[in-house]
Amino acid sequence: SAVISQKPSRDICQRGTSLTIQCQVDSQVTMMFWYRQQPGQSLTLIATANQGSEATYESGFVIDKFPISRPNLTFSTLTVSNMSPEDSSIYLCSVEDAFLAAGRSYNEQFFGPGTRLTVL
Amino acid sequence: AQSVTQLDSHVSVSEGTPVLLRCNYSSSYSPSLFWYVQHPNKGLQLLLKYTSAATLVKGINGFEAEFKKSETSFHLTKPSAHMSDAAEYFCVVSSGGSNYKLTFGKGTLLTVNP
Repeated sequence: SAVISQKPSRDICQRGTSLTIQCQVDSQVTMMFWYRQQPGQSLTLIATANQGSEATYESGFVIDKFPISRPNLTFSTLTVSNMSPEDSSIYLCSVEDAFLAAGRSYNEQFFGPGTRLTVL
Repeated sequence: AQSVTQLDSHVSVSEGTPVLLRCNYSSSYSPSLFWYVQHPNKGLQLLLKYTSAATLVKGINGFEAEFKKSETSFHLTKPSAHMSDAAEYFCVVSSGGSNYKLTFGKGTLLTVNP
């Protein structure tokens, strides 16, 4: 299984500033994902980041607010721009790994430890 | 489209008693189904996954789940709860294929009482 690290693990930021979160994987992966987990809530997919193409954003998330980079197959960044207290969340990256079962190919996602962001 | 409904936001059991966390899903495709656990201030850990190979799936830490297509359910069970099982549990469905995307349920908080 893929091992994923994120930096920073946590941060406290001022309103109006931006924070870039890094995600590093120990193997080459095609698809990486960024999720947000607001306090007491479930995970919501922000975007899918494939190397060599623009990130695909889910409904309610836009590139200006959450720009993503994917320069190679082991690394991605998510920037939370012009932050407000409503952006206080845990941000997680995940990667997709394929496995075989009963003659079919299936996908499994592995998650990083998350970045806990507090915006004052 | 796909969705997941976790029927209980909070389940409380006594140590040594059975655990049942309920999950219903809907999916336009043959789904893959997962249960993840999240301990306080820790990352997500995969408990088990269903891939159509077998309807009864065994996971880590004594958990298992049964896929019931007729009921569109994937309930998580454990015969005997341990204090260390206290955590948030997420039922997750994926569409698979080239448009792979996970949809998370809202989570069930499991409390284990001594």
